[in-house]
Amino acid sequence: AQSVTQPDIHITVSEGASLELRCNYSYGATPYLFWYVQSPGQGLQLLLKYFSGDTLVQGIKGFEAEFKRSQSSFNLRKPSVHWSDAAEYFCAVGAMDSSYKLIFGSGTRLLVRP
Amino acid sequence: DADVTQTPRNRITKTGKRIMLECSQTKGHDRMYWYRQDPGLGLRLIYYSFDVKDINKGEISDGYSVSRQAQAKFSLSLESAIPNQTALYFCATSDAETGTDTQYFGPGTRLTVL
Repeated sequence: AQSVTQPDIHITVSEGASLELRCNYSYGATPYLFWYVQSPGQGLQLLLKYFSGDTLVQGIKGFEAEFKRSQSSFNLRKPSVHWSDAAEYFCAVGAMDSSYKLIFGSGTRLLVRP
Repeated sequence: DADVTQTPRNRITKTGKRIMLECSQTKGHDRMYWYRQDPGLGLRLIYYSFDVKDINKGEISDGYSVSRQAQAKFSLSLESAIPNQTALYFCATSDAETGTDTQYFGPGTRLTVL
């Protein structure tokens, strides 16, 4: 069965520091991959997505992610974190069945130190 | 105006009560989904629908039912609420024509069952 693993439950970084959030998926073929962000009290906002082609994907708010097939990873990065980036981040993979659902990781909560 | 709206945003109810959560969308998408979010578990699929006559169970449908009243409306019902249904509920939509599984989420309904 497909699954998504986000190994870090919490990450704390200083404002202005770089950020990398890890995501690993289990699936043999090239999946559809997504990163969503959930700010406190808010719904999920799509940050970026990967379907095919260039393995480095640019998203909104200065985020990018790199698809690495050999590592089954789709890590999210940002070169300089802002206090407003504090939120919970979810990696997801599109289910390769008839539901077209998304399979989510358990999320990583990002805390930003002033 | 938001493309995907959910009502109510917050609800407190008692064990055994029937409750309905509503979702409306103006994106014109065919596919609609109900997910449940629990801390540390990410989002899990309850039900999904590809059109008014096509309703399907997700991985955690027990205790829930749905109704697709129109292309734009998808309601989730708890026939007899129980405390372990306390969670954050999200509605999502996706466009069948793009074939990319990208889903757009509503703001969520926080449900508490006492």
